[in-house]
Amino acid sequence: GAVVSQHPSWVICKSGTSVKIECRSLDFQATTMFWYRQFPKQSLMLMATSNEGSKATYEQGVEKDKFLINHASLTLSTLTVTSAHPEDSSFYICSARARTGWYGYTFGSGTRLTVV
Amino acid sequence: KNEVEQSPQNLTAQEGEFITINCSYSVGISALHWLQQHPGGGIVSLFMLSSGKKKHGRLIATINIQEKHSSLHITASHPRDSAVYICAPNGGGADGLTFGKGTHLIIQP
Repeated sequence: GAVVSQHPSWVICKSGTSVKIECRSLDFQATTMFWYRQFPKQSLMLMATSNEGSKATYEQGVEKDKFLINHASLTLSTLTVTSAHPEDSSFYICSARARTGWYGYTFGSGTRLTVV
Repeated sequence: KNEVEQSPQNLTAQEGEFITINCSYSVGISALHWLQQHPGGGIVSLFMLSSGKKKHGRLIATINIQEKHSSLHITASHPRDSAVYICAPNGGGADGLTFGKGTHLIIQP
């Protein structure tokens, strides 16, 4: 079945540094990649949608200069949290949708980011 | 915007019980997903359905598009079923999913 590999699974970084999270579709081409964040006891919230080869579309309230998304190929999308602050500490997860007409979503395993 | 209501929010049951989780949404959709999120955070897609009923092992999902309602059932529940179950309608096209707040299920031995 479709698999999305997300790395790292957890990361601790210092305030002011940048962190890159990768999502790779291993056995299919991901035309669209969605990035979500989840705070404790909260539901997933869509941050941005990226299509291969084009700029990401960010949801209202999400700073595009802070959360840099790159979807350079059909199998790789990255989210970079720049100049991280403690309030960026959260669970980040991606989901990919295939090029075909099937509108199923495959999720990565998530990244728990802690900014100290 | 699609408003998604899930019930119950929390459910504790004994092993072997039949479990039902309900989901209602406000805007017509092309498909609805049921997701399972384990304590570590990873999410698994259980079902995507646009009509009728689907069954996978002990899990059954139903949807009534006209009523804007879906249910997830677990038969012969087991402690390993303990997780958060999330209902996520999809409007179709390039849209991402809209997520319910989830049902936190605990199955006690």
